[in-house]
Amino acid sequence: GESVGLHLPTLSVQEGDNSIINCAYSNSASDYFIWYKQESGKGPQFIIDIRSNMDKRQGQRVTVLLNKTVKHLSLQIAATQPGDSAVYFCAENRGTGGYQKVTFGTGTKLQVIP
Amino acid sequence: ETGVTQSPTHLIKTRGQQVTLRCSSQSGHNTVSWYQQALGQGPQFIFQYYREEENGRGNFPPRFSGLQFPNYSSELNVNALELDDSALYLCASTLSGGGISGHEQYFGPGTRLTVT
Repeated sequence: GESVGLHLPTLSVQEGDNSIINCAYSNSASDYFIWYKQESGKGPQFIIDIRSNMDKRQGQRVTVLLNKTVKHLSLQIAATQPGDSAVYFCAENRGTGGYQKVTFGTGTKLQVIP
Repeated sequence: ETGVTQSPTHLIKTRGQQVTLRCSSQSGHNTVSWYQQALGQGPQFIFQYYREEENGRGNFPPRFSGLQFPNYSSELNVNALELDDSALYLCASTLSGGGISGHEQYFGPGTRLTVT
């Protein structure tokens, strides 16, 4: 079956430190992965994505790493700020019968300590 | 803000009742997906509409149904409500040819449904 799961439900990080959020997936056919940020009372917001033919992608203060051998991806946030406090979801995207289906993991809550 | 709006913001219904939730997609977006997000969980895909046709469905029973209108706005209808239907319902719009790339999917703020 397909599943996208996270290792840690809650992560507390000191302001200014780097954060690493991990995610495991089980479907080797997944070809596209996305990280979302969801703040309280809001819908998920796209952060960064990566295709299965890549192993690293960088954005502004964020880096996603993909290890297809062990079906693992991670989100690294540099110099974590209070505004980064939110729930972070990894999601996999794969073609299914003519449409692209996005499957979300459970989520990791990031708490930034001032 | 994404430009995707949903109504109502909150809703309380009784078990067995029916509910209709609405979503206005971002201007020009022709694809709308609906998700159910239970407390403490990730969003679960319900179905997707592209040009007024359902073109994909998750593991949800037929009492979850939807519509998409010519202006690409959408409705989610749930019949015979159950207590477990209590959740945040999210819609996401996309401009695509029937598929979704994550960065093109814009979520609304959701409708919080409580079934008592």
